[in-house]
Amino acid sequence: EVQLVESGGGLVQPGGSLRLSCAASGFTFSSYWMSWVRQAPGKGLEWVANIKQDGSEKYYVDSVKGRFTISRDNAKNSLYLQMNSLRAEDTAVYYCARGGVTPDYWGQGTLVTVSS
Amino acid sequence: DIQMTQSPSTLSASVGDRVTITCRVSQSISRWLAWYQQKPGKAPKLLMYKASSLESGVPSRFSGSGSGTEFTLTISSLQPDDFATYYCQQYNSYPWTFGQGTKVEIK
Repeated sequence: EVQLVESGGGLVQPGGSLRLSCAASGFTFSSYWMSWVRQAPGKGLEWVANIKQDGSEKYYVDSVKGRFTISRDNAKNSLYLQMNSLRAEDTAVYYCARGGVTPDYWGQGTLVTVSS
Repeated sequence: DIQMTQSPSTLSASVGDRVTITCRVSQSISRWLAWYQQKPGKAPKLLMYKASSLESGVPSRFSGSGSGTEFTLTISSLQPDDFATYYCQQYNSYPWTFGQGTKVEIK
């Protein structure tokens, strides 16, 4: 059974940093692109970033470029999102998802709240 | 960025109704469009990709059509489990973008 479990969310002050993790199981992690998608409270979905199987290609939405870094560790079956210089508008549930184009499995999400 | 506009934003319907949701795109994306279903407090679920290809396990009452700049998601006979919010997503060019969502409510 495919499982994606996010962790690392929480309350952080504006300008702060947070690192999200996603533990994958039930499939060959190293064979898939992976993505992060977020959803602000009561709002729609926003694609954030994705990463190729070997980490050689990464793409970001403009609003997070230079602040967020997606990475992966295939040996640990884990996906990461390093978030720096956080802003109030980054407040959202962050989902880890399998696939780089039309993700077919999603985690339950982890809430990031940026507030003073 | 490619803009996605869904209509309607909210739709009230009854069990058994035929329901159609439209997604209009700001520029042609061929058929690089997906549809997702999301229930409150849950992660999105992929329903359809490449405009009309049904994801494995999704009931056949869901269908998709369109190309270029206009797409539709149709539920042929609405079931109680289908009351949810639906999103379209383009993957023709980065950044991938989603529509604002269409909430299907019980009439």
